[in-house]
Amino acid sequence: GAGVSQSPRYKVAKRGQDVALRCDPISGHVSLFWYQQALGQGPEFLTYFQNEAQLDKSGLPSDRFFAERPEGSVSTLKIQRTQQEDSAVYLCASSTRTANYGYTFGSGTRLTVV
Amino acid sequence: QKEVEQDPGPLSVPEGAIVSLNCTYSNSAFQYFMWYRQYSRKGPELLMYTYSSGNKEDGRFTAQVDKSSKYISLFIRDSQPSDSATYLCAMSESSGGYQKVTFGTGTKLQVIP
Repeated sequence: GAGVSQSPRYKVAKRGQDVALRCDPISGHVSLFWYQQALGQGPEFLTYFQNEAQLDKSGLPSDRFFAERPEGSVSTLKIQRTQQEDSAVYLCASSTRTANYGYTFGSGTRLTVV
Repeated sequence: QKEVEQDPGPLSVPEGAIVSLNCTYSNSAFQYFMWYRQYSRKGPELLMYTYSSGNKEDGRFTAQVDKSSKYISLFIRDSQPSDSATYLCAMSESSGGYQKVTFGTGTKLQVIP
């Protein structure tokens, strides 16, 4: 596709519910990143994939957060047993291998846990 | 203390003004310095990036990096209402074979017609 596509755009979850957020990166982009952006804050790194390999998951805040990219294209961020502090915008970005500081971001999924 | 510090604003200026946005950082390993613009309910979009100390110009935008002071700036000349957005500074360091990017908090800019 022309850009990074994320779905759903908005998600309301009851506390304790599991959620899955999807990211379709730009076709052919090797690198894929997930970021969490709280209200009024900058994006915070969660995890990085190069093709299907998850090379860095140091930013995942707890073991309730899990990300996968099984075929090296679409990625899913799963949050189990959601808590109120998980409320944020979850941004996905992709880039080519050689220019992976200049990310292309999706519009994000706004998660609200009630 | 955060690795990247940025004044969150908000900053309100009249149309046509010169805008100066700044960030400081503490990590000497940062190699690339970027500015992203984020409109409301959208993802950040890359405006400019630089690798070394000095100035880089692109149209109405000038990015400035001073590695000795660990200070970066973005100047916007002849600001327009369409420039109203949140501006995020970002910096990257080599980490396990890729460039790991750290963002500032963002400065919210409003340009008043």
